[in-house]
Amino acid sequence: GESVGLHLPTLSVQEGDNSIINCAYSNSASDYFIWYKQESGKGPQFIIDIRSNMDKRQGQRVTVLLNKTVKHLSLQIAATQPGDSAVYFCAERTGGYQKVTFGTGTKLQVIP
Amino acid sequence: ETGVTQTPRHLVMGMTNKKSLKCEQHLGHNAMYWYKQSAKKPLELMFVYNFKEQTENNSVPSRFSPECPNSSHLFLHLHTLQPEDSALYLCASSQEQITGELFFGEGSRLTVL
Repeated sequence: GESVGLHLPTLSVQEGDNSIINCAYSNSASDYFIWYKQESGKGPQFIIDIRSNMDKRQGQRVTVLLNKTVKHLSLQIAATQPGDSAVYFCAERTGGYQKVTFGTGTKLQVIP
Repeated sequence: ETGVTQTPRHLVMGMTNKKSLKCEQHLGHNAMYWYKQSAKKPLELMFVYNFKEQTENNSVPSRFSPECPNSSHLFLHLHTLQPEDSALYLCASSQEQITGELFFGEGSRLTVL
């Protein structure tokens, strides 16, 4: 499932540190934003989502922040673990629940 | 195990071959999707089916032909493909609700020679 050959931004983080993955989205009409994680050899897996009328949402060890003014989305992972190593995609939903557009992804490498 | 099963996991075909990719979801969802993930681009939505009816065709070439016989099964029929069609083809499903959560299969890695 890895995007082999795609030049992905890479974030290297020491195990135990916090990670922040950023994403710029394009459509101001998007009403829903989602973060997905894709491990090698697997399909993307849902992590957390946020509606456009919110600016922050927390899950287990993860927090998503939304800044609609600058069309920016971020995913914060607390106490990063080796199992967090993967490619992370942000996605935006526009025009109904079926139109989900994905970003290019960021590769997170956790250094033990 | 995501509840979405794709077969085959790997497929190598020549440009004149005809093959099919299969997807089955065991989640009781009503919507199913085909996405293409290639080395040069982000995930691209290809087709969407809702209650067996195609609701989205994202300008996909006719050499890709989807089929959705029921809400649990989705096929992608392939014929006269090009080498640039080599990619990971991902199937996903979702419930009919106002969220963006897609459940993906592990994908079918296609190589066109």
